[in-house]
Amino acid sequence: AQSVTQLDSQVPVFEEAPVELRCNYSSSVSVYLFWYVQYPNQGLQLLLKYLSGSTLVKGINGFEAEFNKSQTSFHLRKPSVHISDTAEYFCAVSDYSDGNQFYFGTGTSLTVIP
Amino acid sequence: DVKVTQSSRYLVKRTGEKVFLECVQDMDHENMFWYRQDPGLGLRLIYFSYDVKMKEKGDIPEGYSVSREKKERFSLILESASTNQTSMYLCASSLPGLAVYNEQFFGPGTRLTVL
Repeated sequence: AQSVTQLDSQVPVFEEAPVELRCNYSSSVSVYLFWYVQYPNQGLQLLLKYLSGSTLVKGINGFEAEFNKSQTSFHLRKPSVHISDTAEYFCAVSDYSDGNQFYFGTGTSLTVIP
Repeated sequence: DVKVTQSSRYLVKRTGEKVFLECVQDMDHENMFWYRQDPGLGLRLIYFSYDVKMKEKGDIPEGYSVSREKKERFSLILESASTNQTSMYLCASSLPGLAVYNEQFFGPGTRLTVL
């Protein structure tokens, strides 16, 4: 089974500053990677996903993530955050050899400070 | 837009009660999932279903069962609720085929408190 590590449980950042949310996963030959966002009192929605191809993936709301196979990482970045980006962010991994399961990280709470 | 709805946003039950959590999706998705979300633990898969009447256990199926009699509806059942089942429960659905390729669409969640 995969394991997904989000080292930062809470990330405070000032408005208009850049942010990086880190995600590492266990080594595997073939993985599919996702970032989800959960706004307060809502379900999760997809920010972006990596299935194959270019290692730099662009998502909604100005977010992007880079797949680094050698470091087994999929860090999420945004060059300038807004108050509305305050939310919980989850990294998820799916391993082709492991059937239909998604494995989620424990989440990173991003707080944007005015 | 895909819509996944859950029958209740908040639910309070007593220990020992039988609890039903309902989930309905309107996009003809074949795969459906139940997760529980706890602080510091992220999302953990309870059960999933890839077709009507088909189900598979996830990571934490103990104390839960599921029912999928119709394609659009996936029910989570707590046979005898216990206080350690107090949690946020999230339902999700995804497109047909191997779920690993496909985005999961989530409902708003049901916050269950067992007293």
